[in-house]
Amino acid sequence: ETGVTQSPTHLIKTRGQQVTLRCSSQSGHNTVSWYQQALGQGPQFIFQYYREEENGRGNFPPRFSGLQFPNYSSELNVNALELDDSALYLCASSLAEGGGFGYTFGSGTRLTVV
Amino acid sequence: SQQGEEDPQALSIQEGENATMNCSYKTSINNLQWYRQNSGRGLVHLILIRSNEREKHSGRLRVTLDTSKKSSSLLITASRAADTASYFCATADNTGGFKTIFGAGTRLFVKA
Repeated sequence: ETGVTQSPTHLIKTRGQQVTLRCSSQSGHNTVSWYQQALGQGPQFIFQYYREEENGRGNFPPRFSGLQFPNYSSELNVNALELDDSALYLCASSLAEGGGFGYTFGSGTRLTVV
Repeated sequence: SQQGEEDPQALSIQEGENATMNCSYKTSINNLQWYRQNSGRGLVHLILIRSNEREKHSGRLRVTLDTSKKSSSLLITASRAADTASYFCATADNTGGFKTIFGAGTRLFVKA
């Protein structure tokens, strides 16, 4: 059974550019959520997808968007990058819509915006 | 706003001692989860306790939940240097959609 895999592991982008981060969910998991974690802080919830539909969103602007595909893999897209978007982006998958069995996290993508 | 807030922010103990971390939250919950994170890597799910449970054990971990006080504690017994990590509690806020809210974490350092 594979876990959650994220790509790329590291990324450097210029302010104003767009970025796409990818996540492959754990086998059998139909729920995926994305988090932003700044250095020394806890993960901040961005949004969650359940069976290809967004079913929860945190306090992030619309330039943060996502997709979940029929195979339950997922993408996080960020447009018009700002310096403050520099962070570790974590993807997590779960068996249940409300995370009732806990989440399995990937190792994250470290995004640096310069 | 943060749903879960951990206390203390940092904790340093000797190997073999017990470590206790606390978490407070604001709204009603279905469950509360504890995670561990090593050096900015992915989080590892440790234990989930449901709102109708008061205590749960997993190996050297013991979690309690007091829904009347909206608080939880994580106890790590007989700590090891390998337990050095950040520990986070997480709760589900299901008002207006599903959200999982993490606190700022407790940084545990276990000295060998």
